Amino acid sequence: ILNVEQSPQSLHVQEGDSTNFTCSFPSSNFYALHWYRWETAKSPEALFVMTLNGDEKKKGRISATLNTKEGYSYLYIKGSQPEDSATYLCAFIGSYNYQLIWGAGTKLIIKP
Amino acid sequence: KAGVTQTPRYLIKTRGQQVTLSCSPISGHRSVSWYQQTPGQGLQFLFEYFSETQRNKGNFPGRFSGRQFSNSRSEMNVSTLELGDSALYLCASSLGQGPYQETQYFGPGTRLLVL
Repeated sequence: ILNVEQSPQSLHVQEGDSTNFTCSFPSSNFYALHWYRWETAKSPEALFVMTLNGDEKKKGRISATLNTKEGYSYLYIKGSQPEDSATYLCAFIGSYNYQLIWGAGTKLIIKP
Repeated sequence: KAGVTQTPRYLIKTRGQQVTLSCSPISGHRSVSWYQQTPGQGLQFLFEYFSETQRNKGNFPGRFSGRQFSNSRSEMNVSTLELGDSALYLCASSLGQGPYQETQYFGPGTRLLVL
């Protein structure tokens, strides 16, 4: 059974602080990793699609790194803002079946 | 550009009935994927359609089926509904140029309640 783990499960961060969280996935048969942001009552929004070991992606104050050899990806948010409050999900795709396997998400709450 | 739309947004059915959900992708997108989200299991992949063909299928029983039309619109059908089928059903579209190495765009979902 393949597992995609996200930690922590939830996180309270003061506005203006930076934060990061982790997605752990199988270290074999890596094909791609997706990060999404899902705000309450909205659709999941794609943040990054990561495909190569050592990939680093950036979108405004949010960035992500990828280590396929050890099976983890970090998502960083710099200078958290209230609008960053959301659940952040990662999804692993393996080359054995090309199906997205989702983590349970990290719920981020920004305190003003 | 219009986003991904899903209809209906909410649905109440009883056990044993069947249901059809619809998804219209972003114009020009040829791949449509379906996902089920439940509190207990989180998000799970149902299937993916590309150019009217099912390209991939998740680990769901045969009661779950789908199809894609020539305009890329997709439907999923669940027959003989069970209480455990109560969930949020999301569809996502992408250009479809490669299996999941590209951005997916999600619709708002259909929330199905089975009584």
